[in-house]
Amino acid sequence: AQTVTQSQPEMSVQEAETVTLSCTYDTSESDYYLFWYKQPPSRQMILVIRQEAYKQQNATENRFSVNFQKAAKSFSLKISDSQLGDAAMYFCAYRISFSGGGADGLTFGKGTHLIIQP
Amino acid sequence: NAGVTQTPKFQVLKTGQSMTLQCAQDMNHEYMSWYRQDPGMGLRLIHYSVGAGITDQGEVPNGYNVSRSTTEDFPLRLLSAAPSQTSVYFCASSWTGQGYGYTFGSGTRLTVV
Repeated sequence: AQTVTQSQPEMSVQEAETVTLSCTYDTSESDYYLFWYKQPPSRQMILVIRQEAYKQQNATENRFSVNFQKAAKSFSLKISDSQLGDAAMYFCAYRISFSGGGADGLTFGKGTHLIIQP
Repeated sequence: NAGVTQTPKFQVLKTGQSMTLQCAQDMNHEYMSWYRQDPGMGLRLIHYSVGAGITDQGEVPNGYNVSRSTTEDFPLRLLSAAPSQTSVYFCASSWTGQGYGYTFGSGTRLTVV
């Protein structure tokens, strides 16, 4: 079974600075998807960024970027120019590719609580 | 607005009662799934469906039933509520094409007393 580990229960960063959230995963598959989701106090799950394992280029979405190291099974999220609205729980998640059969569903890490200091 | 709609948003049940959490999506997504979120545990997969009439178990299926009679709806049934089922429940739908991803509902906070 796949597992996702987020080793930082809580991180704190000054507004306008850069922070990196860590995520490692364990899988025997070669093709899969990785995600970062943001959950603010409203509890809505918001997709931040997505990475497909077969793509070597790291995904980027505005101030959010990932460092995907497939061999090391590492998928960290970098948030640049941190803003107060970035404060939330951040979850790393894994999904086997659709070529892996008829299964569905995400495997989540336990999350990292990100605090933005004004 | 297009998306995933969950009802109710809050519910209190007594031990032994049954209820159904509703989930509906209007995006014609093929895949739907249910998760529970407990403090410090992240989200865990309960059941999923890859199309109408097709369902399967996830990581924590015990005490829950699902069915998928239409593409739009994927209800989650608690057969006999237990305090261990106190949690926040999320429904999600996903598409399989370009830009693959999951859309989540806003969640149901369930308390079993």
